[in-house]
Amino acid sequence: DIQMTQSPSSVSASVGDRVTIICRASQGISTWLGWYQQKPGKAPKLLIYGASSLQSGVPSRFSGSGSGTDFTLTISRLQPEDFATYYCQQTKSFPLTFGGGTKVEIK
Amino acid sequence: EVQLVESGGGLVKPGGSLTLSCAASGFSFSNVWMSWVRQAPGMGLEWVGRIKGISAVETTEYAAPVKGRFTISRDDSKNTLYLQINSLKVEDTAVYYCTTVSNSGEFFKYWGQGALVTVSS
Repeated sequence: DIQMTQSPSSVSASVGDRVTIICRASQGISTWLGWYQQKPGKAPKLLIYGASSLQSGVPSRFSGSGSGTDFTLTISRLQPEDFATYYCQQTKSFPLTFGGGTKVEIK
Repeated sequence: EVQLVESGGGLVKPGGSLTLSCAASGFSFSNVWMSWVRQAPGMGLEWVGRIKGISAVETTEYAAPVKGRFTISRDDSKNTLYLQINSLKVEDTAVYYCTTVSNSGEFFKYWGQGALVTVSS
């Protein structure tokens, strides 16, 4: 199975800050990577697919990059509605696996 | 508007069975691959399994912890996805989400609101 490791597990930031979340795969997955945002009590929402493609309707302050084993999700200017938990997911092979999550909290 | 509405969750004793349903609307259900993802209380996301659409040859894939106990099926005439869960274990306690699978890869584009399954004696 491909293990997905996210860091940090949590980050405290202020509105307007730039936030970067890292996701590392235990083996190469090309660009078969997605990022999701989840708010408490809600279903996750797809933000990025294919490592860097922005899902329709997602604000352009979200961006993804990387290929192979190392990936990043960047929020360029954090907004109040961005405080949430973020998950990466690999779709290179079964079983599909998620990272452990990164909680973005208000500083 | 795409809508996925899960139902059938509840409290079940260990060893029991349950069937979750996911009613889909707002898209051509029969052509779309579907998945189930679960989330234990306070924990992260775990993929459960996936079923392909009407035009595909191979139909289902499952995660190892549920293989042999969970069965994903679909009734395209009713636009409904199912998850039959047998031999329930305490560790199956979770919110179960049905999702659509993107045609750009196995990404989960649309999600239901989730159905809580609690396994406890």
